Parts: sequence; C-alpha cells; structure tokens
Amino acid sequence: EAGVVQSPRYKIIEKKQPVAFWCNPISGHNTLYWYRQNLGQGPELLIRYENEEAVDDSQLPKDRFSAERLKGVDSTLKIQPAELGDSAVYLCASSFSGVLAETQYFGPGTRLLVL
Amino acid sequence: DQQVKQNSPSLSVQEGRISILNCDYTNSMFDYFLWYKKYPAEGPTFLISISSIKDKNEDGRFTVFLNKSAKHLSLHIVPSQPGDSAVYFCAAKATGSARQLTFGSGTQLTVLP
Repeated sequence: EAGVVQSPRYKIIEKKQPVAFWCNPISGHNTLYWYRQNLGQGPELLIRYENEEAVDDSQLPKDRFSAERLKGVDSTLKIQPAELGDSAVYLCASSFSGVLAETQYFGPGTRLLVL
Repeated sequence: DQQVKQNSPSLSVQEGRISILNCDYTNSMFDYFLWYKKYPAEGPTFLISISSIKDKNEDGRFTVFLNKSAKHLSLHIVPSQPGDSAVYFCAAKATGSARQLTFGSGTQLTVLP
C-alpha cells in the first residue's frame, strides 16, 4: 500500500515569492493534516481536513497561507508571499477517522528554504 | 507554553542495552499518548501508543509506561539496536480534541555498535 506522497521534496525560493506544496494521502483516509516542523522542534498542526472541509485551521497564518482539498483527496498548501521565517519542513499526514484515537501517517515532508 | 516536553535532546546507548526516552506533559486533559520515530529525510512513523486507562503497553522490544500522577511517560527499547538510531517524538491527544496531536521537541537516540 502506498504511503502519503508529497511533492516537491525540496524547494528553495527567494523571499516574497509564492510556493505551493502538494499532498496525496493514503487511499481511503478521509482526514488530512498539514504540519510545519521547525528545526529542533516537533511538528505543529497548521490545518486539518475532514474530507473536503477544513475543520481546524486555527494555527494557519491566514494572511499568507492558504490550503485546499478539492474532492476530499489531494491537498495543496500555498504560501504567498514567503518570508524568511517560513523556512521549515512541511509535513502532510492522513488518518482514517473510524475511531477517536486513530494513528496519523506522515509523508516524507517538503523541506523549504527561503533566502 | 510547551505542553509536551522532551527534556533530553539526545541520548547515546550501547547496542544490546536498554534505551529509555522520557516525556513530560502538563495538560491533564491529555488521554492518549503516542511515540513516533523519525529517520533523516523521512516523515515520522508511528511506533507505539498508550491510552490513559493503562499504565503500560508493550510491543516487541518497545514498551511505553505511563505515570498519570507524575504526568510522565517513557519509552523503553530493549535490546537497543543500531537501526533504532533516530529522533523519537512523544505526542499527546486531549479529551474531546478530536484528532489534534501535540508533539514534543524530540530526542535523538544513537545506538552505538
């Protein structure tokens, strides 16, 4: 079974430029998460989708970040414009919401460097 | 305000010995705890979990202990193997918070051959 797929794996951009990340969750997983992981820290949730609905986006900096999950499968996370402090690893995860404490499965992440 | 703390950034143990990774939490509403392992350039992978109704959960070489009164959990790996070298993250979920996990900052485990 294929795991969570993310692309690109690495991205280097100049500040003020836009950038987008793509995620394909595990087949059948209706819950999708975007996390940001700064160096030396654990992942921090940015947004969670249940199917195509964003049910928790309280930690998403909405002035520059946006996300969408059309058709409840793939998702994209966009930053426009990027700032130096956005340099981090952006992780996508998915889970099947059959029970309350289901396991989240992570993709390999996209490492973003903003110059 | 870190609700999940892993105070040891790194730990080195000899192959075959026991590795003990610690995690402390402050939120008394946490009722489910997970450990994830992360290799370089990969995403975290689920290792083992424990519900607050238990104080121990074992899976092969991995055992997680939960001390609710001390708000402390630990992951024991016995015997440690060089392939266990990775960053280990402790994560917690609060009652009623659906699927939101709060992660610690991780502990880099190095198992020396």
